[in-house]
Amino acid sequence: EPEVTQTPSHQVTQMGQEVILRCVPISNHLYFYWYRQILGQKVEFLVSFYNNEISEKSEIFDDQFSVERPDGSNFTLKIRSTKLEDSAMYFCASKLFVTSGDTDTQYFGPGTRLTVL
Amino acid sequence: AQSVTQLDSHVSVSEGTPVLLRCNYSSSYSPSLFWYVQHPNKGLQLLLKYTSAATLVKGINGFEAEFKKSETSFHLTKPSAHMSDAAEYFCVVIPRGHGSGNTGKLIFGQGTTLQVKP
Repeated sequence: EPEVTQTPSHQVTQMGQEVILRCVPISNHLYFYWYRQILGQKVEFLVSFYNNEISEKSEIFDDQFSVERPDGSNFTLKIRSTKLEDSAMYFCASKLFVTSGDTDTQYFGPGTRLTVL
Repeated sequence: AQSVTQLDSHVSVSEGTPVLLRCNYSSSYSPSLFWYVQHPNKGLQLLLKYTSAATLVKGINGFEAEFKKSETSFHLTKPSAHMSDAAEYFCVVIPRGHGSGNTGKLIFGQGTTLQVKP
């Protein structure tokens, strides 16, 4: 069964460094998402991406964050200058359809745990 | 704002006994509601979803949930717990009625950890 994959599973970085989290969505899916979960808190929406552009972003997704689909298979989340509070589990998700009132299933990857020291 | 509240952060049951994980939602519109499960070191997996069809929704692994509009609830149940059900469970809603609502972003509850004792 196709699945969403994420690399690395765990990333440790120093505050102020740039990190890139990588995701490979399911191959024929059209809609892509990033979520994060700070330890002990809810899973939070960061950004959605469709047709090579951001379709929606949350307040968390400030100009330190960016997303890209560089080659038609990978979907990346970049944090330019990491802060301590960026430490979290980051989940990528993808979805096949884009329709009005869309409730199609989002398929999630296993997550990347980011630790900022 | 649309949201979900999971009423228990931790539920412990014995193997073979019923499971009840509680979720209440807040929505001005007819919501779409989901339950996701996360096993250790695994991604979030969809258990079931309600999208304004039948109010009793059956999912994978014997789980089901009932949408009750009068109670604004969407509780998850299973008649008989199995050891493999031990995991984190998330109640989720898709916001509607917003200008950007069709992006399908998910709004998560706080999560309930299900412990199954032998």
